[in-house]
Amino acid sequence: QVQLVQSGAEVKKPGASVKVSCKASGYTFTSYGISWVRQAPGQGLEWMGWISAYNGNTNYAQKLQGRVTMTTDTSTSTAYMELRSLRSDDTAVYYCARGSLGCSGGSCYSIFDPWGQGTLVTVSS
Amino acid sequence: EIVLTQSPGTLSLSPGERATLSCRASQSVSSSYLAWYQQKPGQAPRLLIYGASSRATGIPDRFSGSGSGTDFTLTISRLEPEDFAVYYCQQYGSSSWTFGQGTKVEIK
Repeated sequence: QVQLVQSGAEVKKPGASVKVSCKASGYTFTSYGISWVRQAPGQGLEWMGWISAYNGNTNYAQKLQGRVTMTTDTSTSTAYMELRSLRSDDTAVYYCARGSLGCSGGSCYSIFDPWGQGTLVTVSS
Repeated sequence: EIVLTQSPGTLSLSPGERATLSCRASQSVSSSYLAWYQQKPGQAPRLLIYGASSRATGIPDRFSGSGSGTDFTLTISRLEPEDFAVYYCQQYGSSSWTFGQGTKVEIK
């Protein structure tokens, strides 16, 4: 079955960097994209960015531009999200999701499915 | 950036009742790119509806989506105990995605 398995929880100090991994299985990795979404404690969902696993093209949320880098390793079907210069308000659960974006047979679609289990990143001094 | 506003913030209903959740966009959204997700406590979100009205694989037919332009609706025809959760709408446009702030459906 299609599955995304993320790396474990992290505790970081302000100013540090974190790199979260997302290993995909059960489908052809390069046929889809990966989106990253985060959720601060008790808050809603915030889209962070998208990477095409086919060609490595990325789109990042404007507020994170310059601090976030998304990459993929097609040899291991793994996506990575690195966030730098961490602040306390970066404390959140970080999710990866398989992304489908395109048009086929005259209809277009945008789908995030399935999602990884989430990785808690805590930023604290 | 397109802002999605969901209402109400919280919906208090009993099992068996009908739930109607609203998602309003700050500007017109392509129906093709409007999705709904369900999230239960401690779990990752799950895709319910894409293309404004298409149910994802395995989603029961008591869930339905409708709408166009700036107004979209998720309807749960008869609430089951497992449907009490938070629901988010999401849109794609101009190479970015945004989510609404969520509607919590709680047991009355």
